[in-house]
Amino acid sequence: GAVVSQHPSWVICKSGTSVKIECRSLDFQATTMFWYRQFPKQSLMLMATSNEGSKATYEQGVEKDKFLINHASLTLSTLTVTSAHPEDSSFYICSASSGQLKGKAFFGQGTRLTVV
Amino acid sequence: GENVGLHLPTLSVQEGDNSIINCAYSNSASDYFIWYKQESGKGPQFIIDIRSNMDKRQGQRVTVLLNKTVKHLSLQIAATQPGDSAVYFCADDAGGTSYGKLTFGQGTILTVHP
Repeated sequence: GAVVSQHPSWVICKSGTSVKIECRSLDFQATTMFWYRQFPKQSLMLMATSNEGSKATYEQGVEKDKFLINHASLTLSTLTVTSAHPEDSSFYICSASSGQLKGKAFFGQGTRLTVV
Repeated sequence: GENVGLHLPTLSVQEGDNSIINCAYSNSASDYFIWYKQESGKGPQFIIDIRSNMDKRQGQRVTVLLNKTVKHLSLQIAATQPGDSAVYFCADDAGGTSYGKLTFGQGTILTVHP
């Protein structure tokens, strides 16, 4: 149990275009989802916290208008990278948690974004 | 354990040896700690966790030690195998209203030689 799925696993897009990444909890209802970014050889950095039915809370330095987060249901959160630039190329990872799981966070497999 | 953009520390061991990976955390309010294994191109995989009311917890081939006085965690892997080669991260959760909101440590690259 407690499976989190991300889609797509990888994506290549042109500069200036937008890309949407989906994060789904497959077998539990996730009251909260989190989005992280990871650059090569570095640790995971939290970008934002997404609660179902409310606006996401962004970490300091993360542009909310560039990284749009929608958490429309208890099993789905989306991250849209708008007007992507090469410096947005990174590994994006989501996690999901719920009270049912005693607050434990379960991670998706990540999405490799390359902006050319 | 903030990521400051430095190269990850590395640990190289021989197959069968025991491995010890260390981690420091900064938030004294954190009450839940987790170790994750991350293989190349994949998301973090849960290994073992420990709550702040404990100082040691054992799993299968793994042990986590917590020293709250000096804000230090360690992960011990017994009889390390080539399949254990990966990047290992500690993470801490300050709980409160955002359970699951994790702060990750720098990470350690573990390489196991056959």
